[in-house]
Amino acid sequence: NAGVTQTPKFQVLKTGQSMTLQCAQDMNHNSMYWYRQDPGMGLRLIYYSASEGTTDKGEVPNGYNVSRLNKREFSLRLESAAPSQTSVYFCASSTGQANTIYFGEGSWLTVV
Amino acid sequence: AQSVTQPDIHITVSEGASLELRCNYSYGATPYLFWYVQSPGQGLQLLLKYFSGDTLVQGIKGFEAEFKRSQSSFNLRKPSVHWSDAAEYFCAVAQGGTYKYIFGTGTRLKVLA
Repeated sequence: NAGVTQTPKFQVLKTGQSMTLQCAQDMNHNSMYWYRQDPGMGLRLIYYSASEGTTDKGEVPNGYNVSRLNKREFSLRLESAAPSQTSVYFCASSTGQANTIYFGEGSWLTVV
Repeated sequence: AQSVTQPDIHITVSEGASLELRCNYSYGATPYLFWYVQSPGQGLQLLLKYFSGDTLVQGIKGFEAEFKRSQSSFNLRKPSVHWSDAAEYFCAVAQGGTYKYIFGTGTRLKVLA
């Protein structure tokens, strides 16, 4: 059971570089999310996609873009990476509003 | 504004001892409540959830939690902790009718042999 799969698991970027984090889920969930986790701050929502074809900003969207490629895939793009974007990124999915969300294993991103 | 508070950043218990992790929330309507566990280098795994009904909910790995509306709390308990329970625990609340989940800042559990 793959669940939610994220790639890459680790990445080091230089300031100003761009990259895309990939996420796919095989649970036929409608909704997908991108969170970032920083020490002492819990998880903060970057963007979410309620259903295929829609995306909305979360709590901390600045510096990020997303694409809901199809029902399975939801990517997160950093156009011009900044040191403040050093974090652990989690993709997640759920069947819908206020239902259990299932997380991927995380992507550790360092921007130098 | 809605919020979730986990007042204990770190907790240390001896193996075999009982455990209670505190969670308080601020939310006007009936909340949807969750506890997740995160082992080092891993994603978050659901331990248990409360949507409605019985206020004492059972989860995986021998954990349980009790929803107390009067205290706006959803504390996680385990009667006897195992060394493998060492991890970080997150309480979360979901707002009904939205896609917004609010997470606490986590409690890191250390288990002494």
